Amino acid sequence: KAGVTQTPRYLIKTRGQQVTLSCSPISGHRSVSWYQQTPGQGLQFLFEYFSETQRNKGNFPGRFSGRQFSNSRSEMNVSTLELGDSALYLCASSLSGQSYGYTFGSGTRLTVV
Amino acid sequence: AQTVTQSQPEMSVQEAETVTLSCTYDTSENNYYLFWYKQPPSRQMILVIRQEAYKQQNATENRFSVNFQKAAKSFSLKISDSQLGDTAMYFCAFLVTNAGKSTFGDGTTLTVKP
Repeated sequence: KAGVTQTPRYLIKTRGQQVTLSCSPISGHRSVSWYQQTPGQGLQFLFEYFSETQRNKGNFPGRFSGRQFSNSRSEMNVSTLELGDSALYLCASSLSGQSYGYTFGSGTRLTVV
Repeated sequence: AQTVTQSQPEMSVQEAETVTLSCTYDTSENNYYLFWYKQPPSRQMILVIRQEAYKQQNATENRFSVNFQKAAKSFSLKISDSQLGDTAMYFCAFLVTNAGKSTFGDGTTLTVKP
């Protein structure tokens, strides 16, 4: 079956702009989580969506938001981009309880200039 | 709050040898899961092995096995017969049942040398 698909793979944006990243989970997986990966901070949890509802949220400012559609596809949005938002953004899908672990996408590499 | 510590930022091993990556965690919870993920240089992270905290038996997946010491809050990964394709960053992760998110360690970069 198809894996987790993230688009786009690479993105370059200017400070102050906004960006939307997309993630399509594995068929049957209803939970979608987003992580930010940077060399300095490692993997930081952004949020988790389940059945179109945000179920958990990490410690990121309100500029970071997301949503999930009825087909489980998810988007995350970052508004008013800052240089520090440059990172690899990973989407991970899982069965409802995550106890079987995540299936990750290839990520979106965001560079803010 | 849960924390995960991987004390070895980098390690190397000769092909065909055995290597052990360390991971310790801190939690007051009793029901949780532990994972090792592998992120090769091409960057897609994949699940290597999973351990349920209430099971005393150590998990094994082919050449990968864990040494789970619940009282010591230790969860090390042993890779036997190392192969060049094992070169990757390895992350230890911890999930409290129903917490909704995993906490990751900072990772260990493993290089397998020919």
